[in-house]
Amino acid sequence: NAGVTQTPKFRVLKTGQSMTLLCAQDMNHEYMYWYRQDPGMGLRLIHYSVGEGTTAKGEVPDGYNVSRLKKQNFLLGLESAAPSQTSVYFCASSSWTGSYEQYFGPGTRLTVT
Amino acid sequence: GEDVEQSLFLSVREGDSSVINCTYTDSSSTYLYWYKQEPGAGLQLLTYIFSNMDMKQDQRLTVLLNKKDKHLSLRIADTQTGDSAIYFCAESRNGQNFVFGPGTRLSVLP
Repeated sequence: NAGVTQTPKFRVLKTGQSMTLLCAQDMNHEYMYWYRQDPGMGLRLIHYSVGEGTTAKGEVPDGYNVSRLKKQNFLLGLESAAPSQTSVYFCASSSWTGSYEQYFGPGTRLTVT
Repeated sequence: GEDVEQSLFLSVREGDSSVINCTYTDSSSTYLYWYKQEPGAGLQLLTYIFSNMDMKQDQRLTVLLNKKDKHLSLRIADTQTGDSAIYFCAESRNGQNFVFGPGTRLSVLP
């Protein structure tokens, strides 16, 4: 039982390049989330999904796209990276029962030069 | 929109109690959480409280909720060096959308 995994752990991009971050969970959770963490700002929600095939915008969605084609995977795409997207990205998942506790992945550190 | 605020830093001596405070603006918050983040790692849930509760105790952790003042606190008894981390307060109205505070960096001095 690996929990929530993220690929890759580190990445450096040049401005204008594209990339996809992969999040996978093996807990059969319905909800999945993408956050970015910047110093002194806590976590800000980018996009989230309440089920396979559905996605919704969070607080800071601009410049990102997501897809949830399979229940266990949630992909975050950057079509044209900008230096403002330099951040640490966290994926999380949760069940829609009980306390809705979120389980977090280890993070992806992305630098855009 | 909803907002969650925390002080950014707290220093305590080993063995003392730590109290980390949080205020939130959404009066419809149903779930309130405390997460811990150690260096280079993701967040881990420490504890949570439903909005219809005033207090929850779990071993060294005590959570107090003042719903009238929209104030949440986390008390860590007998603080150890291993408790040094960033602590995030978070709230959710419906379990779908979460709002996190900026985090409080707890430093435990020997």
